[in-house]
Amino acid sequence: EAGVAQSPRYKIIEKRQSVAFWCNPISGHATLYWYQQILGQGPKLLIQFQNNGVVDDSQLPKDRFSAERLKGVDSTLKIQPAKLEDSAVYLCASTLSTWETQYFGPGTRLLVL
Amino acid sequence: AQKVTQAQTEISVVEKEDVTLDCVYETRDTTYYLFWYKQPPSGELVFLIRRNSFDEQNEISGRYSWNFQKSTSSFNFTITASQVVDSAVYFCALSEATDSWGKLQFGAGTQVVVTP
Repeated sequence: EAGVAQSPRYKIIEKRQSVAFWCNPISGHATLYWYQQILGQGPKLLIQFQNNGVVDDSQLPKDRFSAERLKGVDSTLKIQPAKLEDSAVYLCASTLSTWETQYFGPGTRLLVL
Repeated sequence: AQKVTQAQTEISVVEKEDVTLDCVYETRDTTYYLFWYKQPPSGELVFLIRRNSFDEQNEISGRYSWNFQKSTSSFNFTITASQVVDSAVYFCALSEATDSWGKLQFGAGTQVVVTP
């Protein structure tokens, strides 16, 4: 069974530019999460989808971050405009349902210069 | 407030030594889940174990073992006879029942360095 796929794996941009990350969850997984992991810290939840609806975006900086999950499968996370402090690894995870184990993708490493 | 505390920032051991990683959590819920994940240098978080709050049985899986003690709010992880491939950052995480959507709250992680 294929795992969670993410792309790109690495991205370097200048501040104030925009960037988008893509996630394809494990087939059949209804719940999808985006986490931000700053160097030296544990991941922190940005947004959670149940099918194609948002159930928790309380930690998402909505002035610059946006996310969508069209058709309840793939998801994209966008940052516009990027700031230096957005440099981090962005991890996507999915589960069959809310209380099941979350499985993570390889992450996208973002460097904002 | 930090709900999961991993006090050890880094642990260095020589191959074949045992290593124990501490995890202390804080919750008012009676129903919750605890997890351990491994993050090797490649960056992907690898699931190791999931334990619910009603199951205090200790668990052993190969060289890995977990000690869950509700009385001290701890969920410690031991690697027996460590190997170089065990070098990674290990995260403990909590998912609470009052958070009905099951988000994970991670500790800061413990870097394990195993040298030959």
